[in-house]
Amino acid sequence: GDSVTQMEGPVTLSEEAFLTINCTYTATGYPSLFWYVQYPGEGLQLLLKATKADDKGSNKGFEATYRKETTSFHLEKGSVQVSDSAVYFCALGSSNSGGSNYKLTFGKGTLLTVNP
Amino acid sequence: ETGVTQSPTHLIKTRGQQVTLRCSSQSGHNTVSWYQQALGQGPQFIFQYYREEENGRGNFPPRFSGLQFPNYSSELNVNALELDDSALYLCASSTLGGAETQYFGPGTRLLVL
Repeated sequence: GDSVTQMEGPVTLSEEAFLTINCTYTATGYPSLFWYVQYPGEGLQLLLKATKADDKGSNKGFEATYRKETTSFHLEKGSVQVSDSAVYFCALGSSNSGGSNYKLTFGKGTLLTVNP
Repeated sequence: ETGVTQSPTHLIKTRGQQVTLRCSSQSGHNTVSWYQQALGQGPQFIFQYYREEENGRGNFPPRFSGLQFPNYSSELNVNALELDDSALYLCASSTLGGAETQYFGPGTRLLVL
């Protein structure tokens, strides 16, 4: 079945450091890929997405490129801020065989803490 | 535009009881998906409702059931609660059976004692 493996945390960085959170997936077909962010005590917010190979999703300085050859979708940001502290989830979206249902399969999440 | 809302925000139940959680979808969305997020884990797909019909189910027992109403709001019902049902329950709304981006509500935190 579909699965997502992402870098175990926690990750602790200083403000303005470079961020990479690794994500790899296993899926049949050609899933869409997503990064969601969860701030303390809140639900999930979509950060960025990519729907086909070589697409780059970007938002708020974060980027991720859909790499079909390595089945990866690593999240990067050039300069993190304290306000980026949160849990980040990589997810893939896939349909059932009949194509009528579309569900998200999530990784376990990576806790990022950014210190001033 | 109103986002996805869920109620209640927190709930405490005892083992064996039943619980109903509610979700109002975002305006214009006809699909609601429910996810269970255990502490320290990623969300897991429970089931999806599309135009008032169940439209796919994850690996959850039948005591997890749901409804979707004509206004596309939804309920998640859990019977015979077990301790392991303690989790954050998230609903997400979308269009086209979930194929478009899913927008999540803030969740209901359920504690089973």
